[in-house]
Amino acid sequence: DGGITQSPKYLFRKEGQNVTLSCEQNLNHDAMYWYRQDPGQGLRLIYYSQIVNDFQKGDIAEGYSVSREKKESFPLTVTSAQKNPTAFYLCASLSGRSYEQFFGPGTRLTVL
Amino acid sequence: QKEVEQNSGPLSVPEGAIASLNCTYSDRGSQSFFWYRQYSGKSPELIMSIYSNGDKEDGRFTAQLNKASQYVSLLIRDSQPSDSATYLCAVTPTGGYQKVTFGTGTKLQVIP
Repeated sequence: DGGITQSPKYLFRKEGQNVTLSCEQNLNHDAMYWYRQDPGQGLRLIYYSQIVNDFQKGDIAEGYSVSREKKESFPLTVTSAQKNPTAFYLCASLSGRSYEQFFGPGTRLTVL
Repeated sequence: QKEVEQNSGPLSVPEGAIASLNCTYSDRGSQSFFWYRQYSGKSPELIMSIYSNGDKEDGRFTAQLNKASQYVSLLIRDSQPSDSATYLCAVTPTGGYQKVTFGTGTKLQVIP
């Protein structure tokens, strides 16, 4: 089955800790994305990557970091500099043919 | 002005009725338009894509695009309680197909 996987599904973090959220896709898509969604809010773009070893900041990149060492993988690190990290994090990839974005199941991060 | 605007709702329709969801966008050069369905606590699921003016039908769903009015809509015929969800409109801006802009979504409630 082709798709996007994210892990873990739920993540709890203590204040001051860095955590890394995993995102893997086997759709052979070049572009991948990280969004944050807060309750009752829309999607806000954190980072995106159009190709391996390249990525761009989105609208709310402060306190986050990413890497893109492999086409299939685009992990997101939530650093201690992110002041309000509790949210639902969504990873997506883009079909270069149809320009459609497909989402993973999400990771719900809670800071204790 | 928001780039992609949707009425947050909730939009309540009786079972079996037609639900009409609307979206306006500000970038006149936008190329691609999408509708996603998001159930509470889940990730967005792509349900319709439309690229040219006019109507596009897929089962009970019809997407309508009017580029001159910068307006895209989604009609759901024979609405079912299982259609109750938040519907997100997404638009690909001019020249930057890699960066999709999402509206904040319209919550639809189908009343049995």
